[in-house]
Amino acid sequence: DGGITQSPKYLFRKEGQNVTLSCEQNLNHDAMYWYRQDPGQGLRLIYYSQIVNDFQKGDIAEGYSVSREKKESFPLTVTSAQKNPTAFYLCASRSTTGQGQSPLHFGNGTRLTVT
Amino acid sequence: AQSVTQLDSQVPVFEEAPVELRCNYSSSVSVYLFWYVQYPNQGLQLLLKYLSGSTLVESINGFEAEFNKSQTSFHLRKPSVHISDTAEYFCAVSRTGTASKLTFGTGTRLQVTL
Repeated sequence: DGGITQSPKYLFRKEGQNVTLSCEQNLNHDAMYWYRQDPGQGLRLIYYSQIVNDFQKGDIAEGYSVSREKKESFPLTVTSAQKNPTAFYLCASRSTTGQGQSPLHFGNGTRLTVT
Repeated sequence: AQSVTQLDSQVPVFEEAPVELRCNYSSSVSVYLFWYVQYPNQGLQLLLKYLSGSTLVESINGFEAEFNKSQTSFHLRKPSVHISDTAEYFCAVSRTGTASKLTFGTGTRLQVTL
């Protein structure tokens, strides 16, 4: 079945450590996104990529980095510079072909806890 | 830039009662509108979308939403809710065009009880 896989589901890290969250899709989508979800704040866009080897900052990119070396993969690194890294992280993808705007497909998220 | 307001953070309702989840948007250009649903510890799933045409759009599980341009609203309604509808609902907006980013509201938690 096609979909988006995020791993791991739960992740625990000590403050000061970098951590990388995995996101893989087999939907053949060109565009991929990383969102951060905090209670009462909805989803905020961290980074997005419309095509391989290209990505743009979203609304809250500080303290995060990404790469897009393959169409299927869009890993997110939470660096030690991110002041409040504990959150639920969601990866999404969508097709950019066709008319209108195709919907986002989401993974099941990674809950990161930094202590 | 566009923005979305979901005024109600929580909506409690009894099973089989009707419900309306409110969504208002702000944009200076034409928009697409979406409702997504999130069940606990999962990602979001598309519930319904308005791109063009009929202003009333429906989902397969009985939800509907109406695009009202004059009131800049896209409220979500269901005439009779079920316990399984308990979830968080997000309204989202984007500018028209295939490459535009989505802006999400802060979400409304729908709690259905017996």
